[in-house]
Amino acid sequence: NAGVTQTPKFRILKIGQSMTLQCAQDMNHNYMYWYRQDPGMGLKLIYYSVGAGITDKGEVPNGYNVSRSTTEDFPLRLELAAPSQTSVYFCASSRPPSGQARETQYFGPGTRLLVL
Amino acid sequence: GQQLNQSPQSMFIQEGEDVSMNCTSSSIFNTWLWYKQDPGEGPVLLIALYKAGELTSNGRLTAQFGITRKDSFLNISASIPSDVGIYFCAGTGGSNYKLTFGKGTLLTVNP
Repeated sequence: NAGVTQTPKFRILKIGQSMTLQCAQDMNHNYMYWYRQDPGMGLKLIYYSVGAGITDKGEVPNGYNVSRSTTEDFPLRLELAAPSQTSVYFCASSRPPSGQARETQYFGPGTRLLVL
Repeated sequence: GQQLNQSPQSMFIQEGEDVSMNCTSSSIFNTWLWYKQDPGEGPVLLIALYKAGELTSNGRLTAQFGITRKDSFLNISASIPSDVGIYFCAGTGGSNYKLTFGKGTLLTVNP
C-alpha cells in the first residue's frame, strides 16, 4: 500500500490564483481530512469527509472547498489564493471498516504552498 | 472547542538522556495518539492509546493514557540523534472522531 499520497509537494501561487491540492489513499479508509500547519502551531482541521459524497467544515474552512466523489480521493480547492493561505497542507485518512484503530489517522507527506 | 496543552514547547538534551513530555486537556478524551514529525514530512503515528490507564511501549517509547482521561505522557528512553523532531499529542473526545492536536514539542538531541 502507498498509504496517503499528496501532490504537488510544493507550489508557488500568485494572489488570486486558484489551484487544487490532490490527496489519495489506498487503505479503504472511510474518513479523510485536510489540515493546515503553520509555524509553531499544531494542525488545524480545514475540512473532513466521512464517506463519498459527504463533506463537512472543520475549524478553518474559509477560502477552501472540497469534494469527495470516490472513497480514495479527497481534493482541496483554493479558489482565490491569499497570502494568509501560505502554509503546509496535510491530508489524512482514518476508519478502516473494522478494528481497534478506527480513530487513528494516517498522514500524507504534505504540500507546501507559498502565496505571493 | 476542545483544547490540548502540550509541554514543554521545546527540549534540548544530550544523547543518552531520557525525555518526558505531556499533554493535558480541559475535557475528557477517549483516544490519545502520539505522533512524530520529521522536518519536511507528515506526522507519523508512534503510539495509540484507547483505554484509561493504558500503558503502551514502542521500542524506547512509552506512553500512558491518564486515569482521569484528561492527560497523557510520552517518555523516550536513552535518546539518540534520530529522535530529533516535533512530537505531537492528539486526541478524540466524546462521540467526536475528529482529532484535536497539541502545538507540539520540539526535541533536539545533542550527540
